[in-house]
Amino acid sequence: GESVGLHLPTLSVQEGDNSIINCAYSNSASDYFIWYKQESGKGPQFIIDIRSNMDKRQGQRVTVLLNKTVKHLSLQIAATQPGDSAVYFCAENRYGGSQGNLIFGKGTKLSVKP
Amino acid sequence: DAGITQSPRHKVTETGTPVTLRCHQTENHRYMYWYRQDPGHGLRLIHYSYGVKDTDKGEVSDGYSVSRSKTEDFLLTLESATSSQTSVYFCAISVGRTDTQHFGDGTRLSIL
Repeated sequence: GESVGLHLPTLSVQEGDNSIINCAYSNSASDYFIWYKQESGKGPQFIIDIRSNMDKRQGQRVTVLLNKTVKHLSLQIAATQPGDSAVYFCAENRYGGSQGNLIFGKGTKLSVKP
Repeated sequence: DAGITQSPRHKVTETGTPVTLRCHQTENHRYMYWYRQDPGHGLRLIHYSYGVKDTDKGEVSDGYSVSRSKTEDFLLTLESATSSQTSVYFCAISVGRTDTQHFGDGTRLSIL
């Protein structure tokens, strides 16, 4: 069935390096994508979003890239810090409507080594 | 901080008992959601609400009911809890027209 997924369940990086977390989606009708960060014992925290009419969007130390041709989404974190250690989820709005029925990937755990 | 409070934060109960989880928001947002999070499954939508007394089912609604009698509160009820409903439950709200969802810190529910 159609689903949002992640290529890697775990990612370990050295402090100061850049991190790239990937996500594949299967529904070409999805038009809104979000990255969330979830720390242990807390709820998912919004990081950055992108709409399908864009290829790239930048935030503070984070960049999201959208490749609609291959239905691929990535989150780049610059100069990764220990505080970035968490599980990262991508989500898609599969219905493209105002109800916001997000479909989530299973998550990638990012570990930052000092 | 999206002004979302979930209660209780932790609960242990027995199979067959009724359980109600509460989500309270302070920002008058129209849309509210209940998800469950389980290892290997990620976040899955149980029910959502698009206004007072307006609710609809999500992906995993069996065994759950919801109610929204006022804008700020969205209740999730397990009429007769089963061990398969042991999970972490998250409430979310939609902020504005972009449909970004913001989450509470969850309720950890254990059904013995």
